[in-house]
Amino acid sequence: DTEVTQTPKHLVMGMTNKKSLKCEQHMGHRAMYWYKQKAKKPPELMFVYSYEKLSINESVPSRFSPECPNSSLLNLHLHALQPEDSALYLCASSQEEYEQYFGPGTRLTVT
Amino acid sequence: GQNIDQPTEMTATEGAIVQINCTYQTSGFNGLFWYQQHAGEAPTFLSYNVLDGLEEKGRFSSFLSRSKGYSYLLLKELQMKDSASYLCAVESGGYQKVTFGTGTKLQVIP
Repeated sequence: DTEVTQTPKHLVMGMTNKKSLKCEQHMGHRAMYWYKQKAKKPPELMFVYSYEKLSINESVPSRFSPECPNSSLLNLHLHALQPEDSALYLCASSQEEYEQYFGPGTRLTVT
Repeated sequence: GQNIDQPTEMTATEGAIVQINCTYQTSGFNGLFWYQQHAGEAPTFLSYNVLDGLEEKGRFSSFLSRSKGYSYLLLKELQMKDSASYLCAVESGGYQKVTFGTGTKLQVIP
């Protein structure tokens, strides 16, 4: 299984809502990542978990809260988002410093 | 900070060869990735260079010069399906910290 799955594929939420994005991989990778990608822009790193511990937080606003319940799962909890947070949210995983495998992404729209 | 530069757009003919350049300025350089991203899809891995030189993988090759802060991706025997964005990504300041360049949108024409 060389797949990273993400749910939901699409999400529309209001600025007062609370929602969560989910990511799963069964490749035994020990590093998992969240990226944000705006249209026609490259992915921007948000968070990295290594061995289920948060290792990198790229100064992301606190309205984004990551969680790694176990080595296969990664969540991104969303609360009080702004319209400018609308983007494609990509999850990825890797085995140490090797290539990252990306999931298909969740397209988020904040209204 | 980091600075990663790629041409914004390129056009090439089916069956031809195209070279996509990437220059970077960073501290704590570990390695450089190339990813392909079709519109509306997630990036897919193409190559990873750590040492100077050319790495060949089928129709795709990637070159790195650490001293010059320079890399290129070479695509041979271009096919229409190669029309996509090609992202150069630098790993620096520790493993797993990857910064993507702005990407080069390649259009392959008949």
